[in-house]
Amino acid sequence: NAGVTQTPKFRVLKTGQSMTLLCAQDMNHEYMYWYRQDPGMGLRLIHYSVGEGTTAKGEVPDGYNVSRLKKQNFLLGLESAAPSQTSVYFCASSSGLAGGVDTQYFGPGTRLTVL
Amino acid sequence: RKEVEQDPGPFNVPEGATVAFNCTYSNSASQSFFWYRQDCRKEPKLLMSVYSSGNEDGRFTAQLNRASQYISLLIRDSKLSDSATYLCVVNIYNAGNNRKLIWGLGTSLAVNP
Repeated sequence: NAGVTQTPKFRVLKTGQSMTLLCAQDMNHEYMYWYRQDPGMGLRLIHYSVGEGTTAKGEVPDGYNVSRLKKQNFLLGLESAAPSQTSVYFCASSSGLAGGVDTQYFGPGTRLTVL
Repeated sequence: RKEVEQDPGPFNVPEGATVAFNCTYSNSASQSFFWYRQDCRKEPKLLMSVYSSGNEDGRFTAQLNRASQYISLLIRDSKLSDSATYLCVVNIYNAGNNRKLIWGLGTSLAVNP
């Protein structure tokens, strides 16, 4: 049982490049989330999903897109990376049994630098 | 005023000490409360939920004060391994019954030998 895994762990991009971050969970969780964490800003929700095939915007969705084609995977895309997107990205999942008010399990994070 | 506020610290305490953190929240519609722990350069992990009547898990005690709108975390007999950042998390339901989790910036704790 690996829990929540994220790929890649580190990445350096040039401004304007695109990339996709992959999150996978093996706990059969309904809900999945993408956060970014920046110094002095705390964890901010980018997008989330309450089930396969669904996505919704969080607090800071601009510049990102997501897809949840399979229940166990949640992809975060950056179409045209900007230096402001330099951050640590965390994926999380939760069972959703309590309507989302339940334990969130986080992946190890992806450290992204945009030059 | 921020929706969730924590003293960033750092709190430097010797092993064996008792230390307490508070977290204040501004939205009186807040429904659920949690403490997460985050080690340096690692992901957050749930430490404990906070129940209305207060709850204890080993050396950790969490309290909720709805009247004053704050939650607290008490750590007794601090261990070196308790050194981490402690994140306060508050769940609110807005007018559309949509859930929103608000994360505090965290309180840094360093337990010294």
